[in-house]
Amino acid sequence: GNSVTQMEGPVTLSEEAFLTINCTYTATGYPSLFWYVQYPGEGLQLLLKATKADDKGSNKGFEATYRKETTSFHLEKGSVQVSDSAVYFCALSGPYNAGNNRKLIWGLGTSLAVNP
Amino acid sequence: EPEVTQTPSHQVTQMGQEVILRCVPISNHLYFYWYRQILGQKVEFLVSFYNNEISEKSEIFDDQFSVERPDGSNFTLKIRSTKLEDSAMYFCASTGPGQGARGYTFGSGTRLTVV
Repeated sequence: GNSVTQMEGPVTLSEEAFLTINCTYTATGYPSLFWYVQYPGEGLQLLLKATKADDKGSNKGFEATYRKETTSFHLEKGSVQVSDSAVYFCALSGPYNAGNNRKLIWGLGTSLAVNP
Repeated sequence: EPEVTQTPSHQVTQMGQEVILRCVPISNHLYFYWYRQILGQKVEFLVSFYNNEISEKSEIFDDQFSVERPDGSNFTLKIRSTKLEDSAMYFCASTGPGQGARGYTFGSGTRLTVV
């Protein structure tokens, strides 16, 4: 079945450091891929998404590229800030099909702490 | 921006008691979901709901769980007889027609503590 594997945390970086959080997936066909962020004490917020191979999702300085050949969707940011401290979840859903109800399958989450 | 609203934000209940977690999805959304996140673990799909019936459920969603859309605005998750292992954060989500998983909006969650 479909699954998502994320690098384990916690990840601790200094402000302005480069961030990579690895995510690989197993799925049939062409799933949609997502990164969600959960700030301390808050709910789940969509950070970015990509729905087909070679798409790049981006938001708030974060980027991830849908790589079909390596089944990966790694999250990157060139210069992290203290306010980026949160838990990041990689997730996938089945191939997009208009009108279809699609559940999300989640990675374990990676905790990021950014120190000033 | 439209929101998914969940109440209560935190509920403490005794083992064996029934709990009802409430959600108000976005008004023009048609697909509704419950997920849970046990502390420190991954987010897990529980159930999806469309057209007033369950469209998919996970193996976690056993006979102790039920969902309902009683009045066209609320979407509830009932746990009939809570167990200690039901302690988790429960998230409600909804999506609109044609959006699939791309259009998820999550609520801020209900933290359920079973003692």
